[in-house]
Amino acid sequence: GNSVTQMEGPVTLSEEAFLTINCTYTATGYPSLFWYVQYPGEGLQLLLKATKADDKGSNKGFEATYRKETTSFHLEKGSVQVSDSAVYFCALSDRQGGSEKLVFGKGTKLTVNP
Amino acid sequence: DTAVSQTPKYLVTQMGNDKSIKCEQNLGHDTMYWYKQDSKKFLKIMFSYNNKELIINETVPNRFSPKSPDKAHLNLHINSLELGDSAVYFCASSHRVVRDEQFFGPGTRLTVL
Repeated sequence: GNSVTQMEGPVTLSEEAFLTINCTYTATGYPSLFWYVQYPGEGLQLLLKATKADDKGSNKGFEATYRKETTSFHLEKGSVQVSDSAVYFCALSDRQGGSEKLVFGKGTKLTVNP
Repeated sequence: DTAVSQTPKYLVTQMGNDKSIKCEQNLGHDTMYWYKQDSKKFLKIMFSYNNKELIINETVPNRFSPKSPDKAHLNLHINSLELGDSAVYFCASSHRVVRDEQFFGPGTRLTVL
């Protein structure tokens, strides 16, 4: 079945550092790709998404590009802030039969220190 | 206004008990979901309902029974609770197509003693 692999955490950075969280996927067909973020004690929120190859999703300074040739959707941010500390989940849409669902990676915990 | 709400936020109970978690969304979405997040933060879908109809039922023990009285509510009832059921359970909703954004509730932390 379809699956998502993202880099193991935790990741610890200093404020204003550059962030990359790697995500690769295995899928048949052309799934949509997502990054969700979970702040401490909260549910997940959509951070950004891309629905087809070469699309770039962006939000709050974060970016990710749908790379079909490398089956990747790496998350990047040029300058992280303490408030970006959270768990980040890469996900894809998986269509099976008449229904669709999201398949999540295992999450990467990011801690940003002042 | 809270978009997706769950009650209770915390639930501590003994093995063998039966418990329910309630979920309500006021976004007018057609599709609702239950997810389980384990202690390592791994998130896996359990069920999905569309307009009160079950459309996804992952490999979940039949001790777990979702119920959707209307499209704004999706409750989760768990019978004969086991230690391994301890987790955070998230409800979510979206428009019918999953490629749209899913909105998550704040989660219910279930602890089985």
